[in-house]
Amino acid sequence: GDSVTQMEGPVTLSEEAFLTINCTYTATGYPSLFWYVQYPGEGLQLLLKATKADDKGSNKGFEATYRKETTSFHLEKGSVQVSDSAVYFCALGGSYIPTFGRGTSLIVHP
Amino acid sequence: EAGVAQSPRYKIIEKRQSVAFWCNPISGHATLYWYQQILGQGPKLLIQFQNNGVVDDSQLPKDRFSAERLKGVDSTLKIQPAKLEDSAVYLCATRTEYTGELFFGEGSRLTVL
Repeated sequence: GDSVTQMEGPVTLSEEAFLTINCTYTATGYPSLFWYVQYPGEGLQLLLKATKADDKGSNKGFEATYRKETTSFHLEKGSVQVSDSAVYFCALGGSYIPTFGRGTSLIVHP
Repeated sequence: EAGVAQSPRYKIIEKRQSVAFWCNPISGHATLYWYQQILGQGPKLLIQFQNNGVVDDSQLPKDRFSAERLKGVDSTLKIQPAKLEDSAVYLCATRTEYTGELFFGEGSRLTVL
């Protein structure tokens, strides 16, 4: 069945460091890909998405590119802030049943 | 635009008792999901509704879990009888058909003692 694999956390960084959270997927065909974020005490919310190969999703300084050849959708940010501390979930969806990775906790220290 | 509303936010019960969770979706969103999120794991789909019909309930433990969506709007998820391993956050989400984005409620945290 369809699945999403993302790197285990926690990822601990200092403020202004570069962030990469790896995500790969398994699916037949070409699903839409999403990153959701869950801030402490809040529900999951969409961070960014891409609907087809080579699309780049971006929001709040975060970016991810849909790579069909490597079935990946890695999340990156050039300079993280303390306020980015949260749990990040990679997911596939679109016309597919939404399927989530296990989440990666990000902790950013001042 | 009002978001997805869930209640109760927290529930503590003894094993073998029953519990029900309620979800009020965003107006106009035809697709509704219930997910189970165990601590340290990603959301796992329990059931998907399209309007008031079930699309997928293959992961729903039907011997103890049941769900319904009345008139294609509000939905309830029931567990009876609860087991210790049912301790989790139960998430309700709806989907906009245009972008495929999911909108989540804040979740209902269940603790089974």
